[in-house]
Amino acid sequence: DAKTTQPTSMDCAEGRAANLPCNHSTISGNEYVYWYRQIHSQGPQYIIHGLKNNETNEMASLIITEDRKSSTLILPHATLRDTAVYYCIVYMEYGNKLVFGAGTILRVKS
Amino acid sequence: DAGVTQSPTHLIKTRGQQVTLRCSPKSGHDTVSWYQQALGQGPQFIFQYYEEEERQRGNFPDRFSGHQFPNYSSELNVNALLLGDSALYLCASSSTGYNEKLFFGSGTQLSVL
Repeated sequence: DAKTTQPTSMDCAEGRAANLPCNHSTISGNEYVYWYRQIHSQGPQYIIHGLKNNETNEMASLIITEDRKSSTLILPHATLRDTAVYYCIVYMEYGNKLVFGAGTILRVKS
Repeated sequence: DAGVTQSPTHLIKTRGQQVTLRCSPKSGHDTVSWYQQALGQGPQFIFQYYEEEERQRGNFPDRFSGHQFPNYSSELNVNALLLGDSALYLCASSSTGYNEKLFFGSGTQLSVL
């Protein structure tokens, strides 16, 4: 079973920041938080990952709470092309096996 | 640099038949994983291949089998197809190591009639 909990869906206005929350209260000390997204009819795409520090790359920012029990993915200026299913994943073990939950459907509207 | 490529993109089979799906990993990657994604659900891990051997396996029956070739490409075989095997089959590649990010192909859409 997935170790994360995410809202089923969210809406965001184009040009505004999209903030996607994720709860992972049972995360272990050596487990990372990864975010992937899946645009319709495509394979999942890596976005960002982190352990305990906040991370930023060209796609997004990841904010992890100090107790590591939750995190937020931030898309700073959402566009229509960011409409997708966003998956928050905690790596369960060595070996690169991802356990996907249902994810959050993000709808960016003009 | 080509990413992960999968073939075919779409496939229609009937119950009881056998199917083979193919995957070429991203250049430089040596590990290939397969996932099954039913409509409206997240991908489910089937198995992973490294050095031509199955290294991990998810909760799938023996009808699902695979192979990895010396050039790191991989095949997924499904025997005795059931209606419930209809899904998007995704291949992902990565480098060996802890917390290496996965790169996914666009998948093969399998329909079993």
